[in-house]
Amino acid sequence: GDSVTQMEGPVTLSEEAFLTINCTYTATGYPSLFWYVQYPGEGLQLLLKATKADDKGSNKGFEATYRKETTSFHLEKGSVQVSDSAVYFCALEAGTALIFGKGTTLSVSS
Amino acid sequence: GAGVSQSPSNKVTEKGKDVELRCDPISGHTALYWYRQSLGQGLEFLIYFQGNSAPDKSGLPSDRFSAERTGGSVSTLTIQRTQQEDSAVYLCASSSGAGEQFFGPGTRLTVL
Repeated sequence: GDSVTQMEGPVTLSEEAFLTINCTYTATGYPSLFWYVQYPGEGLQLLLKATKADDKGSNKGFEATYRKETTSFHLEKGSVQVSDSAVYFCALEAGTALIFGKGTTLSVSS
Repeated sequence: GAGVSQSPSNKVTEKGKDVELRCDPISGHTALYWYRQSLGQGLEFLIYFQGNSAPDKSGLPSDRFSAERTGGSVSTLTIQRTQQEDSAVYLCASSSGAGEQFFGPGTRLTVL
């Protein structure tokens, strides 16, 4: 069945460092892909999405490109801030529901 | 406008008791989803409602779990005869059909 694999955390970075969180997927067809973020004490929020191959989703300085050839949707940010500390989930749309990766905890220190 | 709301925010219960979790979706959203977030399993889909169609129950882990949606709005997730492995955060989300899913803050269920 469809599945999402994302890198294990936690990821610990200093402020202004470059961030990459890897995400790969297995799916039939070409599902829409998403990154969700869960800030401490808050609910899940959509960070960005891409609906077809080679699409780039972007928001708040984060980017991810839908790579069909490598079945990947890696999340990147050029310069992280302390306020980016959160749990990040990669997900794909499988029919009516979302299938999530297990989440990657990012901790950014000043 | 108001987002998705869930109640209670926390629920502690004893093994074997029944619990009901409530979700109020965003007004006008026709689709409603329940997910479970647990340490061992991550985020898992449980059930999906779309308008008046029969719900997609394919993610419910056992027949102790059921859900209903009244009047196309509020939804209740019921867990009967709770077990310790049911301890998790239960998340509700709603969307306007095929659009973005908006998540509620969740209900943290602890089964003692």
